[in-house]
Amino acid sequence: KAGVTQTPRYLIKTRGQQVTLSCSPISGHRSVSWYQQTPGQGLQFLFEYFSETQRNKGNFPGRFSGRQFSNSRSEMNVSTLELGDSALYLCASSLSSLGTDTQYFGPGTRLTVL
Amino acid sequence: GIQVEQSPPDLILQEGANSTLRCNFSDSVNNLQWFHQNPWGQLINLFYIPSGTKQNGRLSATTVATERYSLLYISSSQTTDSGVYFCAVRAGAGSYQLTFGKGTKLSVIP
Repeated sequence: KAGVTQTPRYLIKTRGQQVTLSCSPISGHRSVSWYQQTPGQGLQFLFEYFSETQRNKGNFPGRFSGRQFSNSRSEMNVSTLELGDSALYLCASSLSSLGTDTQYFGPGTRLTVL
Repeated sequence: GIQVEQSPPDLILQEGANSTLRCNFSDSVNNLQWFHQNPWGQLINLFYIPSGTKQNGRLSATTVATERYSLLYISSSQTTDSGVYFCAVRAGAGSYQLTFGKGTKLSVIP
């Protein structure tokens, strides 16, 4: 079974631009979560989707948004990019709706904002 | 929210040595996972262990949920074990996010 895939793997943008990242979960998984990893803040939760509904959102500004499609694929969007948005963005999927099972992570998208 | 503390923050070992990494958490959890982050950034699942003990080859983990800590044991370490080890927990019903510790950076030298 294929793992979680994320595209693109690397991205360079300039301040003020917007970006869209994509995540395809493991086949059959309906929960998708997004995390941001920076050297200063570590791994921080962005949001979680299940069956196209956002169930949890982390403490990030409204410039960060996401959605999930009927095939469970998810996208996250960051508008009006800032230098501080440079980070590794990780997507994870899990099978259960309860949040009590294993989360599997993709390889990440490394975003650099210049 | 729940707090997760990992210790030690850094660990340098000679190849072949054993090590114990610790994860303390501040509240009851219904999900606890250990990950190894490889040099390319991917988080590799090691254990899903909200309670009890598990073993996988040279690695084993124990979570004592009532005392709010988990331990990851690495035996006969190899240079390929180098990297950052993260503990992540999920607390309580209605929470769908994992809260990560700051990690333990392990360096295994030949």
